[in-house]
Amino acid sequence: GQNIDQPTEMTATEGAIVQINCTYQTSGFNGLFWYQQHAGEAPTFLSYNVLDGLEEKGRFSSFLSRSKGYSYLLLKELQMKDSASYLCAVMDSNYQLIWGAGTKLIIKP
Amino acid sequence: SAVISQKPSRDICQRGTSLTIQCQVDSQVTMMFWYRQQPGQSLTLIATANQGSEATYESGFVIDKFPISRPNLTFSTLTVSNMSPEDSSIYLCSVVTWRENTGELFFGEGSRLTVL
Repeated sequence: GQNIDQPTEMTATEGAIVQINCTYQTSGFNGLFWYQQHAGEAPTFLSYNVLDGLEEKGRFSSFLSRSKGYSYLLLKELQMKDSASYLCAVMDSNYQLIWGAGTKLIIKP
Repeated sequence: SAVISQKPSRDICQRGTSLTIQCQVDSQVTMMFWYRQQPGQSLTLIATANQGSEATYESGFVIDKFPISRPNLTFSTLTVSNMSPEDSSIYLCSVVTWRENTGELFFGEGSRLTVL
C-alpha cells in the first residue's frame, strides 16, 4: 500500500533550526510537496521536489532522496508565526496526491 | 499560479439538507480535486473532477452523497447531500498547475460546514 510517515508533533525554540522528516512508499513518484497549514486555514504551498537534492527558499529548504524514499523540510531562524502544521504529500504515478498526517510544529519563545 | 475562490466560506446546516460548494479558478485547469479535512486530521481526497467527464471518487465516497459538477475548465461544484453531523468538516477544492516541470497544488480558502 501507499504510505507517508512524518512525526506527529515537534517543538522548537524561536530563532533555532528545525528539521521535519517525511518518508514515503508510493506506487511511482512524480514529486513531493510540502505545505504549511495554520489552524483553521487552507494549506499553503512551500516547496516541490522531483529531483534529488536540496531546494532552498529563504528560511525554508526542502531535501529529497528518491532512492531512500525520504525528504525533509528545514526551517531556519524560527519565528513564532512558523507555529503550524506541516504536510508532506507525494504525487504517485497516476498523478494522485498521497498526504501525510502532518507534523504540528510548536515554537516556544 | 492560480487563485481559487471558494464559497461559502462557512455554513451551519440542518441534518438532512444538502449544500453546494462552489469553486472558481482564475485560470483554466484540467484537474480539480475536492478534499475533506476533519478537525485535527490531514486531508482526505473525496474525488478528482476532470472537465467533460465523470468525477473519479475515492474509496468511501460515492456520487449520490457527493455529486460533483465540472462544466468548464475554471469552475466546479461539490454538493454534500442529506447531511448528518458526521459531515461537519472543512471542504477544500484544489488545482494542480505545472510550469517548467515544477508542480504546485493550490487550495481554495475552504468551506467550513457544521451540521446540527
